[in-house]
Amino acid sequence: QKEVEQNSGPLSVPEGAIASLNCTYSDRGSQSFFWYRQYSGKSPELIMFIYSNGDKEDGRFTAQLNKASQYVSLLIRDSQPSDSATYLCAVNIRYGNKLVFGAGTILRVKS
Amino acid sequence: GAVVSQHPSWVICKSGTSVKIECRSLDFQATTMFWYRQFPKQSLMLMATSNEGSKATYEQGVEKDKFLINHASLTLSTLTVTSAHPEDSSFYICSGRKTGDNYGYTFGSGTRLTVV
Repeated sequence: QKEVEQNSGPLSVPEGAIASLNCTYSDRGSQSFFWYRQYSGKSPELIMFIYSNGDKEDGRFTAQLNKASQYVSLLIRDSQPSDSATYLCAVNIRYGNKLVFGAGTILRVKS
Repeated sequence: GAVVSQHPSWVICKSGTSVKIECRSLDFQATTMFWYRQFPKQSLMLMATSNEGSKATYEQGVEKDKFLINHASLTLSTLTVTSAHPEDSSFYICSGRKTGDNYGYTFGSGTRLTVV
């Protein structure tokens, strides 16, 4: 079982719609969870992180964490073509305090 | 905000030669530096974790004698790919973190290595 799993996509949504990205993780002791956006050929850029159960909102982005079910999600409201990218879920694995990444979900926002 | 400067941004080298990649934390002290590798259409794979002044801890399957990591100061970490081969061609990315900051992973801009 992979430590962090994501659906590779691509996920296609029309402009203005809500994009929903999901991620599951295996280490129940994981403490913090991150969403990054990566454009082709570029380094990942942080969207937001979450460490408490529930929702955390930042502008058009909402991260949701459910530790009991070991999943974390990212909602993007009012999706824009510029949001088209690969979205990486990363989990702070308890051992070694290191970030482990999922395979990423490709998001395509069509205008 | 925190910045990690990574150089070079791209490099082409001949098979059998060595290449050094540098990551400098410009406005914070990176007590820990993580080194990742990303092959096309794949995710970031952690290669090693280094703490300032200590030997790096390598992930399973990563050859420590091939990928030399030096983290001699709080602001500079280097990765040297020794005796590079075409299969080492990849996108290498560093990420710095300062002591006590559990959420501040600052990524460098990455280095595209092509071995010919």
